[in-house]
Amino acid sequence: AQSVTQPDIHITVSEGASLELRCNYSYGATPYLFWYVQSPGQGLQLLLKYFSGDTLVQGIKGFEAEFKRSQSSFNLRKPSVHWSDAAEYFCAVGIQGGSEKLVFGKGTKLTVNP
Amino acid sequence: DTEVTQTPKHLVMGMTNKKSLKCEQHMGHRAMYWYKQKAKKPPELMFVYSYEKLSINESVPSRFSPECPNSSLLNLHLHALQPEDSALYLCASSQDGGAAFFGQGTRLTVV
Repeated sequence: AQSVTQPDIHITVSEGASLELRCNYSYGATPYLFWYVQSPGQGLQLLLKYFSGDTLVQGIKGFEAEFKRSQSSFNLRKPSVHWSDAAEYFCAVGIQGGSEKLVFGKGTKLTVNP
Repeated sequence: DTEVTQTPKHLVMGMTNKKSLKCEQHMGHRAMYWYKQKAKKPPELMFVYSYEKLSINESVPSRFSPECPNSSLLNLHLHALQPEDSALYLCASSQDGGAAFFGQGTRLTVV
């Protein structure tokens, strides 16, 4: 069955430090991969997506992610974290093409220390 | 404009009430979705409309009734809900094969 694993439930980093959030997926075909961010009580904001092509994708707010087929991973990175990046981050895979049927990971909560 | 608008933002309803959640997008997207998100959990897909037709129902109880009056609007009619239905209800839309854009959600409390 299709699934998404985010191994880290909670990550704490200092402001200005680099960040990497891990995401592994299980899906037989070419995956459509997404990262979303959610602030408390808010909706989900799309950070970036991977459908095909260049395996390093750039997103909003200075985030990037790298698709590694051999490792079934799609890790999210940011070189320097800002306090406003504190939020819940969800990795998702589209299992019927695009966003027709998204399966989300359980999320990683990011805390940023001043 | 990548905005999906949901109303109301908050809703408290009794178990015998009938209420509706509304969602609107003007991006020309032909797929619209309802998700349910419990606290500290990821969103779970409820319904998908594609070209104004219901294409996916994830075995949602009949007390939740979706409706797509036109390509820009999506409603979720609620009737005889249970306290365990309290959650954040998220609407989203996408182009064919594209990324989904989410609204800010409706925080529903069933008392």
